[in-house]
Amino acid sequence: QSVLTQPPSVSAAPGQKVTISCSGSSSNIGNNYVSWYQQLPGTAPKLLIYDNNKRPSGIPDRFSGSKSGTSATLGITGLQTGDEAGYYCGTWDSSLAAWVFGGGTKLTVL
Amino acid sequence: QVQLVESGGGLVKPGGSLRLSCAASGFTFSDYYMSWIRQAPGKGLEWVSYISSRGSTIYYADSVKGRFTISRDNAKKSLYLQMNSLRAEDTALYYCAKGNVSSGWFFDYWGQGALVTVSS
Repeated sequence: QSVLTQPPSVSAAPGQKVTISCSGSSSNIGNNYVSWYQQLPGTAPKLLIYDNNKRPSGIPDRFSGSKSGTSATLGITGLQTGDEAGYYCGTWDSSLAAWVFGGGTKLTVL
Repeated sequence: QVQLVESGGGLVKPGGSLRLSCAASGFTFSDYYMSWIRQAPGKGLEWVSYISSRGSTIYYADSVKGRFTISRDNAKKSLYLQMNSLRAEDTALYYCAKGNVSSGWFFDYWGQGALVTVSS
């Protein structure tokens, strides 16, 4: 059971918008910054969002992040078939003295 | 460009040992913290261990504490993971990840992974 809770799967049609939630507690999301990672099938994870809502260079603005209290959200607009992937949230947990990931969400673009 | 190349994976019997290596290039290795993160077949990401830029601060996941040892050689730009008393549940693809800090911590580059299979 992951410390951070994500929905196992989400789906939407091409061109639509989807959001992926990541729920935690005061020891992790509530007091630390969240990052998001995209894992395309058969590849290594890739940084998508850091510091809750910042995009590394090269990441399109279709991807956005936000945080409120002990939850974080990844938003993807203008969905493309190439966005089909696993998405993971992560942050430091101050109580565990450990980095924690969400269980991952599989995005299907129908 | 940043490159992280893992090596040392393989098939090992339960109770056995294995040492993973990660060769880094394209950045000043000694300036950044590093981590090992694993992914069991068909499962999600699990953070394994962290080491600070100079090796003075180390953290482990409870699942590997006392069995795994992380280390680094900044002169060789290399990260290591010594894995002892291996169990079937340690079977996974092990990623080497470069850490970075802005306001918070995150992993900005990942290697392609080294596969560790623990089976009799």
